[in-house]
Amino acid sequence: QQQVRQSSQSLTVWEGETAILNCSYENSAFDYFPWYQQFPGEGPALLIAIRSVSDKKEDGRFTIFFNKREKNLSLHIKDSQPGDSATYFCAASVSTNAYKVIFGKGTHLHVLP
Amino acid sequence: AQTIHQWPVAEIKAVGSPLSLGCTIKGKSSPNLYWYWQATGGTLQQLFYSITVGQVESVVQLNLSASRPKDDQFILSTEKLLLSHSGFYLCAWSLGVSAETLYFGSGTRLTVL
Repeated sequence: QQQVRQSSQSLTVWEGETAILNCSYENSAFDYFPWYQQFPGEGPALLIAIRSVSDKKEDGRFTIFFNKREKNLSLHIKDSQPGDSATYFCAASVSTNAYKVIFGKGTHLHVLP
Repeated sequence: AQTIHQWPVAEIKAVGSPLSLGCTIKGKSSPNLYWYWQATGGTLQQLFYSITVGQVESVVQLNLSASRPKDDQFILSTEKLLLSHSGFYLCAWSLGVSAETLYFGSGTRLTVL
């Protein structure tokens, strides 16, 4: 059973558009949701994260929208740039057992110039 | 200064041969340490985590073992490699009991032939 699901394996947008990456989860106990960005040949790096008590988290061009009732969240990348082309992983954990972090399969974003 | 160092950068090994991958964390006291495995283009599968020296928790069984001989060192090993062990191995660290943000190393690319 896939606990964290990313609906798109791949997404292509034009430079300047808003890219929307979707994620859903099964376990209602998850209360922390980070998004990681990974470039080829590198380890992932934290991009932005949200806790389940919030419904929105914004950091520059990156915004997470969170819907606890529907158990889904989305990452919006405003004004997409070619340098944003990477794989984005949605992840989830439970604060009382934060050592186990579950990752989705990732969405590969292509931003065309 | 690089906080996390993984070695080797890449390995090509024969099926049935032994393996040892290493990870060293510098400048962080008593970090939580993790091993993740990533198939090509795939998700990040957590393998092991360690909260303290000498203690390692297994998350998934893949005929691999892990040890933490020192506070700043995490070792992943097996006596007999399988073809299915090929992939990208990532070491990560986090701090404290909240442990929420993972900081990944640059990874080791393993090819088993």
